[in-house]
Amino acid sequence: DTEVTQTPKHLVMGMTNKKSLKCEQHMGHRAMYWYKQKAKKPPELMFVYSYEKLSINESVPSRFSPECPNSSLLNLHLHALQPEDSALYLCASSPLLAKNIQYFGAGTRLSVL
Amino acid sequence: AQSVTQPDIHITVSEGASLELRCNYSYGATPYLFWYVQSPGQGLQLLLKYFSGDTLVQGIKGFEAEFKRSQSSFNLRKPSVHWSDAAEYFCAVGGSSNTGKLIFGQGTTLQVKP
Repeated sequence: DTEVTQTPKHLVMGMTNKKSLKCEQHMGHRAMYWYKQKAKKPPELMFVYSYEKLSINESVPSRFSPECPNSSLLNLHLHALQPEDSALYLCASSPLLAKNIQYFGAGTRLSVL
Repeated sequence: AQSVTQPDIHITVSEGASLELRCNYSYGATPYLFWYVQSPGQGLQLLLKYFSGDTLVQGIKGFEAEFKRSQSSFNLRKPSVHWSDAAEYFCAVGGSSNTGKLIFGQGTTLQVKP
């Protein structure tokens, strides 16, 4: 099973809402990632988790709050987002010793109104 | 500075024709090189990777890529394109430090004419 599952597929939220994106993998990977992707652009790394601990935060605004409850799950909590945060949010996972080999989910298409 | 350049923003080929997508990189150490494909509304799928050894690597879906150190290139090729190959293609480079930080090119959109 080489699948990374993301829910929901689509999300529309207002600027005062609180919502969460979920990501799950069952490949036994101990590294997980959040990326943001705008249309016609490459993915931009946001966060990296290794062994359920945050190892990289690419200076992401605090209105994005990641959480890794266990080795299979990764959440991204959203609060007080701006319209410019509308994008495709991708989750990925990889073996801990081969972080370059990342497997991506299909993403959550987020629209902030 | 580390960077990846995909010179072609958009390429159109006829179905059955051969394909070459270009990728040039700038990286101080030994690069780990990747090609990803992204179909509309989907995530990225790893097509192939190069770490070391044979400079011609085979990937999924009939794709191959050749690493040329002297030209700092890692071009993707396919001998006969299928309509289902229409997608966005990203070249990426990673380092041996194993941080998980991949540097992506800007992508090439492939359109396939019937």
